[in-house]
Amino acid sequence: DTGVSQDPRHKITKRGQNVTFRCDPISEHNRLYWYRQTLGQGPEFLTYFQNEAQLEKSRLLSDRFSAERPKGSFSTLEIQRTEQGDSAMYLCASSLSRADNEQFFGPGTRLTVL
Amino acid sequence: AQKITQTQPGMFVQEKEAVTLDCTYDTSDPSYGLFWYKQPSSGEMIFLIYQGSYDQQNATEGRYSLNFQKARKSANLVISASQLGDSAMYFCAMREGPLTGGGNKLTFGTGTQLKVEL
Repeated sequence: DTGVSQDPRHKITKRGQNVTFRCDPISEHNRLYWYRQTLGQGPEFLTYFQNEAQLEKSRLLSDRFSAERPKGSFSTLEIQRTEQGDSAMYLCASSLSRADNEQFFGPGTRLTVL
Repeated sequence: AQKITQTQPGMFVQEKEAVTLDCTYDTSDPSYGLFWYKQPSSGEMIFLIYQGSYDQQNATEGRYSLNFQKARKSANLVISASQLGDSAMYFCAMREGPLTGGGNKLTFGTGTQLKVEL
């Protein structure tokens, strides 16, 4: 399978714990995006990378959130001191910068904070 | 103001019929792109179709076509010959700025839940 993969698919955690999600984009894609989707809403942009550089962050991304893409390949999204309001689906997408008319999405990581 | 508005929270269509899902957008950028994605209950976002703001013709992809009316700022998705497998949530999204520019984050609407019936 050469699509975007995300791990884990589901995560249940207690309030105050830290969690980390991983995204593996399509191998030749240099752009990687993180979105968050809450129940009944469309995805909302969080941040994006071109290669290893994080070029834009949404105001939704509080100080408790950090994302990395250390070698321009996979990316991690960490949430520190989770809150119940962080419960959502976290979606990763990737694209080629020269063909950004299609972003390919992964299956998402569903986070539940108890 | 909402950048992407989808006014139909839910739609029903009979199998083999055509259905139109509405989407209006708001941007002052002359260069933008409009997307439709399908999200089945499994959660994965599946790309369906893309329309660039400078494209002269309406986009088509198999049974999907995009009715792009630039002056009205609408980008409705038409699904022809509906199938049971088309039952899903459908999202309209917009990218603002030129294709070769930076960013290219997508702004999504709230979606339309489509149910295809026998």
